[in-house]
Amino acid sequence: SQTIHQWPATLVQPVGSPLSLECTVEGTSNPNLYWYRQAAGRGLQLLFYSVGIGQISSEVPQNLSASRPQDRQFILSSKKLLLSDSGFYLCAWAGGSPLHFGNGTRLTVT
Amino acid sequence: AQRVTQPEKLLSVFKGAPVELKCNYSYSGSPELFWYVQYSRQRLQLLLRHISRESIKGFTADLNKGETSFHLKKPFAQEEDSAMYYCALSGGSNYKLTFGKGTLLTVNP
Repeated sequence: SQTIHQWPATLVQPVGSPLSLECTVEGTSNPNLYWYRQAAGRGLQLLFYSVGIGQISSEVPQNLSASRPQDRQFILSSKKLLLSDSGFYLCAWAGGSPLHFGNGTRLTVT
Repeated sequence: AQRVTQPEKLLSVFKGAPVELKCNYSYSGSPELFWYVQYSRQRLQLLLRHISRESIKGFTADLNKGETSFHLKKPFAQEEDSAMYYCALSGGSNYKLTFGKGTLLTVNP
C-alpha cells in the first residue's frame, strides 16, 4: 500500500534562516505531488505541484520554492524565511485518485 | 477561476441531531467535488467524493449543479463526528484541489 512521509513534524526557525521540508511517497511510481499551506481561517492553499521529476508548477508568488529531485521525493525550500512563512505545511500525492495527505509540518518563524 | 465557499466557520449541534455543512462552488466547467475531514491530531483524509455517490460514516453529499452546491449531510450526528471539514473542487486532471476555508463541527453530548 502507498504511504506518505513528511518531516519534520514541527520546526521553529528564526527570520532569515533557510528552510528545507521533505516529503517522500512509497508504494507508487510517478505520482503527482503537491505542497499546500494551511493557515487558520484561510483554509488550504496550493503552493506547488509536480507531475514528474524536475517539473514544478508554482501556484502563488511567494518566498518559497519546491524541487523534485527523485520520482517520489518532494522538497519545499526557502533561502531566507519571513515571519509570514509561519504555518502548517502539508504534502500530498495523487495517482489516479484524490489527494492523500501527509501528517504535515508546523513551521514557526520567530 | 474556481472557488469554494463554506459559509460557516463553526457549527455546533447536539448528538442525534441532523447536521448539514454547506458548500458552494464556482467553476465554469464540470467539476469534481470532494469532502475532506481532519479529526483531532490526525491527518487530513478524504471523506467522500461526488462521483462515488456513496455514504461514508453516515454522511452523504449530493452535487446540485443548478445551485452549485455540494452540502454534506448526516441525519443523526455522533460525538465522534466532531472535526474540521473541508469542501474541495477539482477542475482538471492533475487533481489540483481548491479548498474551502473549512467548517469546524462540534457535536455536543
